[in-house]
Amino acid sequence: NAGVTQTPKFQVLKTGQSMTLQCAQDMNHEYMSWYRQDPGMGLRLIHYSVGAGITDQGEVPNGYNVSRSTTEDFPLRLLSAAPSQTSVYFCASSYAVGVYGYTFGSGTRLTVV
Amino acid sequence: KQEVTQIPAALSVPEGENLVLNCSFTDSAIYNLQWFRQDPGKGLTSLLLIQSSQREQTSGRLNASLDKSSGRSTLYIAASQPGDSATYLCAVGGGSNYKLTFGKGTLLTVNP
Repeated sequence: NAGVTQTPKFQVLKTGQSMTLQCAQDMNHEYMSWYRQDPGMGLRLIHYSVGAGITDQGEVPNGYNVSRSTTEDFPLRLLSAAPSQTSVYFCASSYAVGVYGYTFGSGTRLTVV
Repeated sequence: KQEVTQIPAALSVPEGENLVLNCSFTDSAIYNLQWFRQDPGKGLTSLLLIQSSQREQTSGRLNASLDKSSGRSTLYIAASQPGDSATYLCAVGGGSNYKLTFGKGTLLTVNP
């Protein structure tokens, strides 16, 4: 049981490049979400999904795209990277929101130069 | 808009001391509260989950309480150890987007 797996762990991008941050969970969790963590800002919700085929925006969705074609995977796409997207990105999942807690991945540290 | 505040921002204690970390939130319409631990450069490790109908949860040397009506939670750590040194994050779950609203954390240092 691997839990929530995020790849890559580190990434450096040039401004304007695109990339996909991968997130996979093997716990059959319906709910998955992406957060970014910035110094002094705490963790903020980017996008979330309550099940395969269903996604919605969180509080800071601009510049990011998501899809959920399977229960296990929830990739986060940066469309055109900007220095403001330099951050640590965490994927989280839950079996049943409101009943069970969240399990977080180990994070992806992204630097945009 | 839910706001979560953690006090103190940093705490340094000698090994063996009992300590309390505080978390307050502005909107009592939550469905649960979760305490996490984060080591430098690492992910978040869940410590305790308290449902909105519960008053406290215990795991080993950790005890978390919840007073939803006053918007407060405390994390009590007994007999602290150097290995407890980390940032402790409080997060409340609520709202139609099921999001967790996090505090900025308490950086705990336990000195040998």
